[in-house]
Amino acid sequence: DGGITQSPKYLFRKEGQNVTLSCEQNLNHDAMYWYRQDPGQGLRLIYYSQIVNDFQKGDIAEGYSVSREKKESFPLTVTSAQKNPTAFYLCASSIRRGTSGNTGELFFGEGSRLTVL
Amino acid sequence: QKEVEQNSGPLSVPEGAIASLNCTYSDRVSQSFFWYRQYSGKSPELIMSIYSNGDKEDGRFTAQLNKASQYVSLLIRDSQPSDSATYLCAVRPIYNQGGKLIFGQGTELSVKP
Repeated sequence: DGGITQSPKYLFRKEGQNVTLSCEQNLNHDAMYWYRQDPGQGLRLIYYSQIVNDFQKGDIAEGYSVSREKKESFPLTVTSAQKNPTAFYLCASSIRRGTSGNTGELFFGEGSRLTVL
Repeated sequence: QKEVEQNSGPLSVPEGAIASLNCTYSDRVSQSFFWYRQYSGKSPELIMSIYSNGDKEDGRFTAQLNKASQYVSLLIRDSQPSDSATYLCAVRPIYNQGGKLIFGQGTELSVKP
């Protein structure tokens, strides 16, 4: 079955540590995204990538880093520079159609819940 | 002013009633509009997309778009307890070809048996 797999589902981090969240998709989608969700809040975009070896900052990129070495994979590193990393992290992908860019119809993974101790 | 605004709720409706969820957006030239449903503790899933003025129906769901008034709504007919979730409105601005969406904060819907 096609889909997006995020791991781990739950992660605990000590202050000062970097952690990496995995996101793998087998949907053959070009574009991938990382969103952050805080309780009672909507989704805020951290980073996105439209093609391999290229990515752009979203609205809240500070303290995060990404890579896109393969079409299927878009890992997110939460660095120690992120002051308030406790949140629900969502990876998503979308198909690129024609010349009008991506559709905006996102498929989400199950999410990774990060807690800083 | 937030780019995409929704009433956070909770919106409570009895089973079988029509639930009406509303969303306003600030960018007049936005092109694409989406409704995502998110159950508690789960990830969002796309339930409706709408691109032109008017109504779009899919089963018990109807999305309504009014670009002149800059609002988009979602109607859920014959509401069921299984519809209880948070509904996220998302807007894709015309200038963005990367598929970047701007999300509202979501409206929590509770359908009472």
